[in-house]
Amino acid sequence: GAGVSQSPSNKVTEKGKDVELRCDPISGHTALYWYRQSLGQGLEFLIYFQGNSAPDKSGLPSDRFSAERTGGSVSTLTIQRTQQEDSAVYLCASTQATGRNIQYFGAGTRLSVL
Amino acid sequence: QKEVEQDPGPLSVPEGAIVSLNCTYSNSAFQYFMWYRQYSRKGPELLMYTYSSGNKEDGRFTAQVDKSSKYISLFIRDSQPSDSATYLCAMKGAGGTSYGKLTFGQGTILTVHP
Repeated sequence: GAGVSQSPSNKVTEKGKDVELRCDPISGHTALYWYRQSLGQGLEFLIYFQGNSAPDKSGLPSDRFSAERTGGSVSTLTIQRTQQEDSAVYLCASTQATGRNIQYFGAGTRLSVL
Repeated sequence: QKEVEQDPGPLSVPEGAIVSLNCTYSNSAFQYFMWYRQYSRKGPELLMYTYSSGNKEDGRFTAQVDKSSKYISLFIRDSQPSDSATYLCAMKGAGGTSYGKLTFGQGTILTVHP
């Protein structure tokens, strides 16, 4: 079956522009996570969705970052007024539920802010 | 200080060598321990998943967890060039307000040369 799909795979933008990153989780997976992977920082948690609700947004680095999930499926991560320090790979993972369940990752969106 | 520490390497070994990768952690709430493998420009894929202290073996891979020392290891026997990748340790709490989010080590870059 299809895995976690992310688009675009690469995004180059100018400083100050807004960007939208999309995640299509595995069908039936109710839990969805966004992580950011940057050089020197490793993989860091951003936000968690259970269905369409986000009970944990503690990893979002600033109010320029927001995310939503609709229909319990597709999620969009939006970064407003991008800065150079936002350059990173943004990864999405989904799982059937929390607890012991395995998180399956997409290939990520590589964001470069010039 | 990071909650999970992992030596980023890089680590370079000859084909057939035994590889040892390690992580230490400080948060005693972590109950589930994972090793992910990440090839260049791909998402992390799960290699090993353990819950309790002790050893778990899967083919050429052995994962060890020592909760008393807050130390986990991954051993790769008879390493192959195809094992060349970044290896990420990850861990999470048992539930509640951790919501299953993963905390990662920085990742160790491994190269196995023929």
